[in-house]
Amino acid sequence: SQQGEEDPQALSIQEGENATMNCSYKTSINNLQWYRQNSGRGLVHLILIRSNEREKHSGRLRVTLDTSKKSSSLLITASRAADTASYFCATDAGAQKLVFGQGTRLTINP
Amino acid sequence: GAGVSQSPSNKVTEKGKDVELRCDPISGHTALYWYRQSLGQGLEFLIYFQGNSAPDKSGLPSDRFSAERTGGSVSTLTIQRTQQEDSAVYLCASSPEWGSETQYFGPGTRLLVL
Repeated sequence: SQQGEEDPQALSIQEGENATMNCSYKTSINNLQWYRQNSGRGLVHLILIRSNEREKHSGRLRVTLDTSKKSSSLLITASRAADTASYFCATDAGAQKLVFGQGTRLTINP
Repeated sequence: GAGVSQSPSNKVTEKGKDVELRCDPISGHTALYWYRQSLGQGLEFLIYFQGNSAPDKSGLPSDRFSAERTGGSVSTLTIQRTQQEDSAVYLCASSPEWGSETQYFGPGTRLLVL
């Protein structure tokens, strides 16, 4: 089964609202990353948080990591129509490869 | 600079045919990954190349799948005797030598097996 599981599977909000997506994982990790995918094509790296970090910001993105609960959240503030996409968490547990979750489909309604 | 490129963008084939998918990683990136993504699903790891080391083939779903990486650069994923369940988007990614911390993805090849 996938290492990362995202919640919710789908999220629909109004433009300007904040969007929160959650990711849970099963094993110890070196870092956790979030990626965005538009229209089922290539993924774009958004942000990386290391296992010794608890919170990280990048523009309108805020990521938290709770290693005791093996969970992470991605918050997008002041959402825009262009944020409509699928968002995936990916865990790096060593062995030189990432394990991706199933993703959250985010829809921003104008 | 140029990103990861993949070809073809789309491929339609008949069941039982062989297909080859190509990936050109970012210049200088020594790590290269192949993933498969079925409709509405997450990414499934297939194979990983790192420099001249033996590839990690642990994700290949069957012996019909194989991949090569020539000269430490371009990679080809080959699917023999394609089946309808092979229909998916095949994504390639590369990363710099110092690890898998950030992967840079190509646009993918959408494969449809009829």
